[in-house]
Amino acid sequence: KAGVTQTPRYLIKTRGQQVTLSCSPISGHRSVSWYQQTPGQGLQFLFEYFSETQRNKGNFPGRFSGRQFSNSRSEMNVSTLELGDSALYLCASSWETSGYTDTQYFGPGTRLTVL
Amino acid sequence: ILNVEQSPQSLHVQEGDSTNFTCSFPSSNFYALHWYRWETAKSPEALFVMTLNGDEKKKGRISATLNTKEGYSYLYIKGSQPEDSATYLCASISGYSTLTFGKGTMLLVSP
Repeated sequence: KAGVTQTPRYLIKTRGQQVTLSCSPISGHRSVSWYQQTPGQGLQFLFEYFSETQRNKGNFPGRFSGRQFSNSRSEMNVSTLELGDSALYLCASSWETSGYTDTQYFGPGTRLTVL
Repeated sequence: ILNVEQSPQSLHVQEGDSTNFTCSFPSSNFYALHWYRWETAKSPEALFVMTLNGDEKKKGRISATLNTKEGYSYLYIKGSQPEDSATYLCASISGYSTLTFGKGTMLLVSP
C-alpha cells in the first residue's frame, strides 16, 4: 500500500508570495492533518480535514488555509509569506480522527524556505 | 501541566545499553497518548497509541507504559542498537484539543 505523499518536497519562495502544498493520503484514509515544524519547536498542529470539512484548527493566522477534495487529497495554502514561515510542513493521514486512537501516518514533508 | 514535555532533550548511549525517556502530559480529560520515532530524512513512524491507565505496549525491544492519573508515559529501549538512533516524539490529546506534540528526545546510540 502506498504511503502518504507530499509535493513538492522542497520549495523556495520570497516574502509576500503565496504557496500551495499538496498531500495525498493513504488510500482509504479520510482524515488529513497538517503540521508545521520549525527549529527548536515541536510539531505544531495547523488543521485537520475530514470528508472535505475542516474539523479542527490550530492557533495559526488566517494566512494559513487548507482544503480537502472528494478523493481525500488535501492542499494547504500560505498567503503573504513571511520569513518565519520557513519550516518543514508535514501532513498525516488516518482512518478517522487527528489522533484520538487512530495511528497517524506521516508523509515525508515539504521543506519551505522563505527568502 | 499544560503542555506536553519530554525529557531528556537528548541522550547518548552505547550499543547494548538500555534506556528510557519520559513524556509528561495534561492528565485532565485525557484521550490518548502517541509515541513516534523520527529518523533523520524520514517520516515520523508510529510506535504506540495508548489510551488506558496502566497500559503497557511492546514492539520488539521497545516498550511503553502509561499513567493517565499523574500524566506521564515512559518509553523503554532494551539493548539499544545504532539503528535506534532517532528522535522519539510523544503526543497527547485531551478534552477538545488536538494532538499536541512534545519537542522530542533525540537518541544517539554509538557502536
